[in-house]
Amino acid sequence: EIVMTQSPATLSVSPGERVTLSCRASQSVTNMFAWYQQKPGQAPRLLIYDASTRATGFPDRFSGSGSGTEFTLTISSLQSEDFAVYYCQQYYDWPLTFGGGTKVEIK
Amino acid sequence: EVQLVESGGTLVQPGGSLRLSCAVSGFTFSNFGMSWVRQAPGKGLEWVSAIGGGGGYTFYADSVQGRFTISRDNSKNTLYLQMNSLRVEDTAVYYCAKDTKAIGGHEFDFWGQGALVTVSS
Repeated sequence: EIVMTQSPATLSVSPGERVTLSCRASQSVTNMFAWYQQKPGQAPRLLIYDASTRATGFPDRFSGSGSGTEFTLTISSLQSEDFAVYYCQQYYDWPLTFGGGTKVEIK
Repeated sequence: EVQLVESGGTLVQPGGSLRLSCAVSGFTFSNFGMSWVRQAPGKGLEWVSAIGGGGGYTFYADSVQGRFTISRDNSKNTLYLQMNSLRVEDTAVYYCAKDTKAIGGHEFDFWGQGALVTVSS
C-alpha cells in the first residue's frame, strides 16, 4: 500500500498570506495525484488532479506541483473561504490512498 | 447538474448488515467508475471500494475485503454497498464518489453528501 504523508497537520495562517502544503508518497505515483478541499459538514471537493491541473470552479490562486513522491499545494493569497482541510490522494495503484489531511485555520 | 444522493445510513449492532444506496443523475452513469469513501468521526478519508462503469471489476480495501460488496444497477442509475459483519470501527460517514474514468481508480470529481453509519450496541 502506498502511504501518503501530509505536513503539517495544522497550519495557522492570516488572510492574504501565501500558503504551502506538502504531501509525500511512500513510493513514486508519477503524476497520478490529486488534492481535495473539505469544509466542515461538507463532502470533499476535487481541487487539483494529475498533480497540477486545477479542477472546475477553483480560482487560479490555487496551484499544484510535483511528481514522483513529493507534491505541493500552494495558495497564493489565502481568502476567508479557503479555510478548510486539504487532503491528498494517489491513484497510481490499488488501494487508492489518502493523506491524513492538513487543516488550514485562521491565525 | 450532477447529483449523487446516498441513503440507507442508520444505527446497526455489531455483527449486523446494512445496504447503502447512491442514486445518481446528471451524467451517463454506465460511462464512469464509482467508489465508496468513508470518514470516521473527526478523522480523515479512507477509500473503501470501487467498481468499473460496466460493473465488470471491483476492488476493496483490505479492511473491508470479504465483508463488503459493491455493486451497481446501470438501468436504475444506482450504486450499492452491501455491508456485512459490521464492526464498531466501520462507524463513519460513507460517501459515494464519481470517478473521472470508466475504468475507475482515478480522481473523484463529484461526491454525494454522505450517509452516516453507526455501529454500536
